[in-house]
Amino acid sequence: DTAVSQTPKYLVTQMGNDKSIKCEQNLGHDTMYWYKQDSKKFLKIMFSYNNKELIINETVPNRFSPKSPDKAHLNLHINSLELGDSAVYFCASSLFGTLGTDTQYFGPGTRLTVL
Amino acid sequence: GENVEQHPSTLSVQEGDSAVIKCTYSDSASNYFPWYKQELGKGPQLIIDIRSNVGEKKDQRIAVTLNKTAKHFSLHITETQPEDSAVYFCAAPDSGYALNFGKGTSLLVTP
Repeated sequence: DTAVSQTPKYLVTQMGNDKSIKCEQNLGHDTMYWYKQDSKKFLKIMFSYNNKELIINETVPNRFSPKSPDKAHLNLHINSLELGDSAVYFCASSLFGTLGTDTQYFGPGTRLTVL
Repeated sequence: GENVEQHPSTLSVQEGDSAVIKCTYSDSASNYFPWYKQELGKGPQLIIDIRSNVGEKKDQRIAVTLNKTAKHFSLHITETQPEDSAVYFCAAPDSGYALNFGKGTSLLVTP
């Protein structure tokens, strides 16, 4: 059973397109996250949702919009894709998310390539 | 916010030797320090964590030490094996609900 799953695993698209990445967790966790990992492997938080409510919104361009239809899903929509958006995007979840001290479980990642 | 520094960025050891990775953090209020292992093509996986009320925690060949006064914590892997080769990340809580990660250490264990 996959705890945190993401689709698609690979996404190749042209500049200017709009795309979505989906994330689902079956752990019953309250908090979900999106992280971006750049080509140098640096992991940086983008968004965090707790019980469908936005908690963290780091300095991410407003072309990126997370959507949480329920607490088991957190999708990431990206409009007007740019070359610099190429990265691996990881979804994660944690039980409560209290002050970042809960174990975070990561999905397998989505490698986005913008041509 | 929390600033986490990690070093070295790359580490190569021979099978059976020990490996040590060190991290420093800036926020003295931080109280939770996890270590994640990321294998090629996979997401990071928690391997061990420590909370500020203890100075050391061990799980088989892996141990983490914490020095709150100096604001640094370290990962120790003993009797390394080729399957330990991966990128290791330390982390500390950021301003609520997220982790601030170090820049990672690429560990290579050669047979």
